[in-house]
Amino acid sequence: GQNIDQPTEMTATEGAIVQINCTYQTSGFNGLFWYQQHAGEAPTFLSYNVLDGLEEKGRFSSFLSRSKGYSYLLLKELQMKDSASYLCAVMDSNYQLIWGAGTKLIIKP
Amino acid sequence: GAVVSQHPSRVICKSGTSVKIECRSLDFQATTMFWYRQFPKQSLMLMATSNEGSKATYEQGVEKDKFLINHASLTLSTLTVTSAHPEDSSFYICSARSDRGESGELFFGEGSRLTVL
Repeated sequence: GQNIDQPTEMTATEGAIVQINCTYQTSGFNGLFWYQQHAGEAPTFLSYNVLDGLEEKGRFSSFLSRSKGYSYLLLKELQMKDSASYLCAVMDSNYQLIWGAGTKLIIKP
Repeated sequence: GAVVSQHPSRVICKSGTSVKIECRSLDFQATTMFWYRQFPKQSLMLMATSNEGSKATYEQGVEKDKFLINHASLTLSTLTVTSAHPEDSSFYICSARSDRGESGELFFGEGSRLTVL
């Protein structure tokens, strides 16, 4: 079956760095996405990785290793507004998105 | 970035009534739109894939007669929850894929919170 695993919840301190991991087992692979979702709102796109390596976008970076079925989202210089759920999603061979359950990130002052 | 608008954002209805939710792509054409359902603290669950000019493709376990999807134009898809019951109360989200965005990037509507009394 298809499976996306990510931690349920993480806590970090304002100004610090946090890494949210995602492992996946899917039927084929056509890219991995990270989305941010604040409570009661729809997800917003953060990053897309289809090749191995690190993609950096400001305070956020996303890493992919296809051979290991592994990705992480790295958030630097954490701000209180970064408190949200972070969803990992993989596009399978049928171009369907398989979603993880999301990681709730709690930022403390 | 591309904009997807969803309406209404919140709706409360009585049990047994039908509710229509609209999803519009405002600045791009979307041959395909997706409808999701999300329960509190759970992941997005794909309900159906809406294809312009043809029948929607429903995921296993989703009742097509209860959740009617119409994709009559390249910028509008609608989801109608027929004969709604309290267990249909949920957060419904639509999304569309823009050809202009990064490959496969999905843009989401704001979501519609349905409460059935």
